Amino acid sequence: DAGVIQSPRHEVTEMGQEVTLRCKPISGHNSLFWYRQTMMRGLELLIYFNNNVPIDDSGMPEDRFSAKMPNASFSTLKIQPSEPRDSAVYFCASSFRQGVGWEQYFGPGTRLTVT
Amino acid sequence: RKEVEQDPGPFNVPEGATVAFNCTYSNSASQSFFWYRQDCRKEPKLLMSVYSSGNEDGRFTAQLNRASQYISLLIRDSKLSDSATYLCVVNGPGGGYNKLIFGAGTRLAVHP
Repeated sequence: DAGVIQSPRHEVTEMGQEVTLRCKPISGHNSLFWYRQTMMRGLELLIYFNNNVPIDDSGMPEDRFSAKMPNASFSTLKIQPSEPRDSAVYFCASSFRQGVGWEQYFGPGTRLTVT
Repeated sequence: RKEVEQDPGPFNVPEGATVAFNCTYSNSASQSFFWYRQDCRKEPKLLMSVYSSGNEDGRFTAQLNRASQYISLLIRDSKLSDSATYLCVVNGPGGGYNKLIFGAGTRLAVHP
């Protein structure tokens, strides 16, 4: 079975440029999560969707960040304009809501470097 | 106080050793508990869920103490391949069961 797919795997861009990260969740999963991981802050939840609807975006750092989920099989995280402090690994995860204890499955991540 | 606290380690142990990791969480309303494993430069992967009665999976045993808001992971007969960072995870406040809060992780290094 295909797991969570993320693209690109690596992105290097200059400050001020727009960056778009993409995610395809596991087929049949109805929840999708975007995380950011840095050495300083660890793994932080940015936003999550249930049935394509954003439920909690309180972790989105600022207005430069936006996320969409136009359908059940695709989501994007956009940073515009990007800044060096956005450099991190961005993970997408998905899960299937089935009562208490919803296990999340992570994609391989996108390693973003903003110079 | 952090929502999920772990001893960062590193724990350096020889092969065959038994090692235990501890974790405390602040939200008494949390109902879902997990241990995830993350290898260097890889994504986190679910190691095991943690149930109230405690549960075991091969060499791994997880325990939950709701009264003390404490979770533990015991690894017996450590293997070189167990070297990784172990993340304690609980579901967070406000977001229902879906919102998971990750601890900063405990690093384990198993040596020959």
